[in-house]
Amino acid sequence: QVQLEQSGAELKNPGASVKVSCKASEYTFAPYAVNWVRQAPGQGLEWMGWINTDTGNPTYAQDFTGRFVFSLDTSAATAFLQISSLKAEDTAIYFCARDMAARQGIDYWGQGTLVTVSS
Amino acid sequence: QLVLTQSPSVSASLGASVKLTCTLSSGHSRYAIAWHQQQPEKGPRYLMKINSDGSHNKGDGISDRFSGSSSGAERYLTISSLQSEDEGDYYCQTWGAGIVLFGGGTKLTVL
Repeated sequence: QVQLEQSGAELKNPGASVKVSCKASEYTFAPYAVNWVRQAPGQGLEWMGWINTDTGNPTYAQDFTGRFVFSLDTSAATAFLQISSLKAEDTAIYFCARDMAARQGIDYWGQGTLVTVSS
Repeated sequence: QLVLTQSPSVSASLGASVKLTCTLSSGHSRYAIAWHQQQPEKGPRYLMKINSDGSHNKGDGISDRFSGSSSGAERYLTISSLQSEDEGDYYCQTWGAGIVLFGGGTKLTVL
């Protein structure tokens, strides 16, 4: 059974950075792309972008450029989301999610990582 | 512009059926979509992908009570024999030209 296991909840001060991991198992990591999705408290799902697990090339949605970085450790079948210069409005649950082959929609989700930004 | 529209909320009785709708914006009626369920305090779960011709393929372990269909720019998710655990938020999702888009979600209340 495909699994995406995310790292645990984080509490960070404003201005700090955070790195969330998403470890894939029970399937061949490449060529299935990994998406990152944000869910702010009480809100819907917001797509942040995706990373090509073959090339490592990231693509960011319009609202997620600059402070957000997607990366991979393909040897560990793990994707990462790093957010720098954290703000209170970055408080949210962050999900990784696998694309079906040929990027035909999301078919598996991580359990989510709560990032809380507060002083 | 690619947009997915969902009704904010729907309610139905235990044991009844309910049909959720996801509408694609003008000019995008041939796009496939995926449905995802998010039960309270849980992460989303993939239910099924629905193509423009109504063909669909479900995720692993998804109950036969869940089915999908399509008509024009509308994509449907029908849940039959509603159970309490079906309560939650349902999101449609589409993709194209390098982007992914979610609808605003429909909150299903089982009465």
